[in-house]
Amino acid sequence: QQQVKQSPQSLIVQKGGISIINCAYENTAFDYFPWYQQFPGKGPALLIAIRPDVSEKKEGRFTISFNKSAKQFSLHIMDSQPGDSATYFCAARGYGSEKLVFGKGTKLTVNP
Amino acid sequence: DADVTQTPRNRITKTGKRIMLECSQTKGHDRMYWYRQDPGLGLRLIYYSFDVKDINKGEISDGYSVSRQAQAKFSLSLESAIPNQTALYFCATSGGSVDTQYFGPGTRLTVL
Repeated sequence: QQQVKQSPQSLIVQKGGISIINCAYENTAFDYFPWYQQFPGKGPALLIAIRPDVSEKKEGRFTISFNKSAKQFSLHIMDSQPGDSATYFCAARGYGSEKLVFGKGTKLTVNP
Repeated sequence: DADVTQTPRNRITKTGKRIMLECSQTKGHDRMYWYRQDPGLGLRLIYYSFDVKDINKGEISDGYSVSRQAQAKFSLSLESAIPNQTALYFCATSGGSVDTQYFGPGTRLTVL
């Protein structure tokens, strides 16, 4: 049973455009929502994370938007650059849990 | 992340062979994790450990076993490898009250 549904599976954006990746969850006990970025041949690395007490978190060109009532959260990459080309994973973790549940990933390609 | 190392980085083995993947970390973290990554399936948790005496099964532990030899070392074993265990395997660590999981560079395992 997939607990975090991520879309799209792949995304192609032109340089300077906005990349948007969406995730949805069912478990209302989730209280921590990170996004991980993975470059080819590397392990995933934390990009940005949010807790449900805020609706938005911004770090540079990366923004998480969180909609608690809809049980959805999304990653927005502004002014997308070729160097942003990577696979992005959303994840969620329940209160008091050590386990992260990952989405299936989105392969982002930013064309020059 | 150079603080989390995995050996070997690539391994080809045959069905029925026993194989061990090793993970070492210099971050001083108490929590360690083993994940499996398959194309289109994201990252799935195999086992996790809070300390040397605390080992827990994850989402897909069947066919795998682990050993926490020391705080800094966490090994994953496949007692009798089968072809559908062909995948990328990642070790990760986290510590204290920090939410972030730090991933190693991964081991690409092929079972023929």
